[in-house]
Amino acid sequence: EAQVTQNPRYLITVTGKKLTVTCSQNMNHEYMSWYRQDPGLGLRQIYYSMNVEVTDKGDVPEGYKVSRKEKRNFPLILESPSPNQTSLYFCASSLSASGDYNEQFFGPGTRLTVL
Amino acid sequence: DAKTTQPNSMESNEEEPVHLPCNHSTISGTDYIHWYRQLPSQGPEYVIHGLTSNVNNRMASLAIAEDRKSSTLILHRATLRDAAVYYCSRRGNMLTFGGGTRLMVKP
Repeated sequence: EAQVTQNPRYLITVTGKKLTVTCSQNMNHEYMSWYRQDPGLGLRQIYYSMNVEVTDKGDVPEGYKVSRKEKRNFPLILESPSPNQTSLYFCASSLSASGDYNEQFFGPGTRLTVL
Repeated sequence: DAKTTQPNSMESNEEEPVHLPCNHSTISGTDYIHWYRQLPSQGPEYVIHGLTSNVNNRMASLAIAEDRKSSTLILHRATLRDAAVYYCSRRGNMLTFGGGTRLMVKP
């Protein structure tokens, strides 16, 4: 089944404890991205990757890191999480960024709470 | 600052058509217009997209204004399962979402 998977689905952690949220897709998509969703602020893009070894900042990249060493995986890293990073996180992928085949497929979400 | 604006909420009766508007007056000439919907406790789900011409698929239709400053998502016959938050977005290298319209469908 074609899908985007995220792990963990739920995470409660404490301020300053490094964490990684994994994202994987099995559709051979070139483009992958991370979003956070907050009440009143909607969905905002954190980082995106046009292809392996190519990453770019989105609208809210502060406090996050990403890497794209292989096509299928795009982990989101919080080196020193803070309470303002408590949010619902979505990973997504698409065949490409440009042209007509750029609809995004979203994962199920990771609910992160930073105490 | 480019913005995508949508009404906060809309209501429809079951089996009737629904027209969900979106304003994207500062959209770039190469950005696509995408629509996604989100059901409770799920990730956004792709609905439809277009660049300049109107588009139809099995889920919905997308009507794009000639000047591309606005678009309308059309659900031809709303069902209770269509109750969701519908997001209009601009798709270039990034995907920039509007605030979303919560669609309520009455039986």
